[in-house]
Amino acid sequence: KNEVEQSPQNLTAQEGEFITINCSYSVGISALHWLQQHPGGGIVSLFMLSSGKKKHGRLIATINIQEKHSSLHITASHPRDSAVYICAVPRSYNTDKLIFGTGTRLQVFP
Amino acid sequence: DTAVSQTPKYLVTQMGNDKSIKCEQNLGHDTMYWYKQDSKKFLKIMFSYNNKELIINETVPNRFSPKSPDKAHLNLHINSLELGDSAVYFCASSQGLAPGELFFGEGSRLTVL
Repeated sequence: KNEVEQSPQNLTAQEGEFITINCSYSVGISALHWLQQHPGGGIVSLFMLSSGKKKHGRLIATINIQEKHSSLHITASHPRDSAVYICAVPRSYNTDKLIFGTGTRLQVFP
Repeated sequence: DTAVSQTPKYLVTQMGNDKSIKCEQNLGHDTMYWYKQDSKKFLKIMFSYNNKELIINETVPNRFSPKSPDKAHLNLHINSLELGDSAVYFCASSQGLAPGELFFGEGSRLTVL
């Protein structure tokens, strides 16, 4: 079993739909990262959060430390949101060593 | 102005050759990383350096040798390339040891024939 599990693995949506991607982890962590990998391959950091909720534009990330679970939501999805979304957590507290989920491939159709 | 830049972006080479990938960041960060993304798109850390000092060496074969001449540069040299080394290699940087926000390079796709 992976230490970081994401669901779903693949997701298709119509433009305008509300999207939720889930991440569960089994290690104790200081912070969780959400990354976006574009179809061209580039990786962008979306959020780093250690508690509660963060919002950036149409993206919202939440985390429940007790339940070891995080969600990434996209409101009013758009075809340009099509990408692979990856969550990552440090292997233990105060370490650089991130372990990554296998990613969720999102396709948003017009 | 690219924050984290890697060169080359594509590299095709024969088994047994030696190759290098270079990475530079202009963000003033003190920590840099090399990650490997395999054919299944799974990311895995290889190395991290903080202020030119090796912090993480994640059970990577000795054929891989990172070098950090200064905190803005982290290069990756690979000796005796093998088929299994084919992957996309990402350089990244962050401020501090326990990673803050990560900034990634565009990736270097290595194909070993």
